[in-house]
Amino acid sequence: QKEVEQDPGPLSVPEGAIVSLNCTYSNSAFQYFMWYRQYSRKGPELLMYTYSSGNKEDGRFTAQVDKSSKYISLFIRDSQPSDSATYLCAMSDSNYQLIWGAGTKLIIKP
Amino acid sequence: SQTIHQWPATLVQPVGSPLSLECTVEGTSNPNLYWYRQAAGRGLQLLFYSVGIGQISSEVPQNLSASRPQDRQFILSSKKLLLSDSGFYLCAWNGGAEPQHFGDGTRLSIL
Repeated sequence: QKEVEQDPGPLSVPEGAIVSLNCTYSNSAFQYFMWYRQYSRKGPELLMYTYSSGNKEDGRFTAQVDKSSKYISLFIRDSQPSDSATYLCAMSDSNYQLIWGAGTKLIIKP
Repeated sequence: SQTIHQWPATLVQPVGSPLSLECTVEGTSNPNLYWYRQAAGRGLQLLFYSVGIGQISSEVPQNLSASRPQDRQFILSSKKLLLSDSGFYLCAWNGGAEPQHFGDGTRLSIL
């Protein structure tokens, strides 16, 4: 079993829909959680960074961490074609070495 | 503001040839530096990281090596490339416990 599981997709939704992206993990020591967006042939770009459990909102993006279920989510409201990309989750314990999900490819259809 | 540069963006090399990929960071001092490889449809695999000049930690035994000759310069090398070295190579940096920030990567094809 991988430490971090992420559905590779692709996930295809119409423009304007709410998107939900998820990762599950097995290591209860993880306490730092990140979401990155990666466009084709580019490096990952940090979207959201959360510590421990709870929600964090930034514009159209909301990150949610449920440590009791070992489950993290990224919600995108009012999705746009420019949101089409691969979304990677990453997490770490106090050693700060990141463990990555495989990424979910998201397609927003105009 | 801090920026990270990687070059070249694309590289095609024959099997058995040497490799040198360079990464530099601007606007910060004493960054942690990382080299990752990303295979198609897969997550990022950490290859090397460095917390200071001359300090290199290897995560995966392989045909590659890394060096940090200056504070903000990180180099990925190989003496003889294998077909299996093909992939997308990413350099990243952070300060302490902060999230990592990535360059735009080098797409390496081995023929």
